[in-house]
Amino acid sequence: GIQVEQSPPDLILQEGANSTLRCNFSDSVNNLQWFHQNPWGQLINLFYIPSGTKQNGRLSATTVATERYSLLYISSSQTTDSGVYFCAPNNDMRFGAGTRLTVKP
Amino acid sequence: GAVVSQHPSRVICKSGTSVKIECRSLDFQATTMFWYRQFPKQSLMLMATSNEGSKATYEQGVEKDKFLINHASLTLSTLTVTSAHPEDSSFYICSARPSVTAVEAFFGQGTRLTVV
Repeated sequence: GIQVEQSPPDLILQEGANSTLRCNFSDSVNNLQWFHQNPWGQLINLFYIPSGTKQNGRLSATTVATERYSLLYISSSQTTDSGVYFCAPNNDMRFGAGTRLTVKP
Repeated sequence: GAVVSQHPSRVICKSGTSVKIECRSLDFQATTMFWYRQFPKQSLMLMATSNEGSKATYEQGVEKDKFLINHASLTLSTLTVTSAHPEDSSFYICSARPSVTAVEAFFGQGTRLTVV
């Protein structure tokens, strides 16, 4: 299967700060999904993005398929952004280890 | 987004008994479903992938006789943990998508299984 590496593993931010999360994958992918797992365990779909850039409010994502990585940008972070962010290639839906984000008030 | 419903959300069972977890796609037909388990502070580990009407494909190291997966219809998949033991206690999550590949997958709420 496709190997997925996410960085950083942990990130602590002050409310209002911006951040970039990275997802590297070992092989070409049909598509890539970003998720946010909230404190109750629910996975929320953030982006479904094979290439290019998408934006949704304070969040945006960019996938550069030819270079096998995707970035998730969080701007003006809020405490409700806390949780774990995962990426998963759509080919086989195996997850990276995730980035645990803590946003402090 | 599409809705995937997982039931029960929490279950406690005695060691040696079996537990069934249901995963339903409520507003789309799920050609493919995925089952994961997640231990505290860890990522989701894919257990198996199932396509409707076919036998599930299990990941290496996952015992297919212990974790029985049935995907008999386009809206329902079940995971049965047979002869459960305390080490099977975990968070189990299902995912569904309307095609074998190249479309977005959606997740259920998860089931927290505790074996006592």
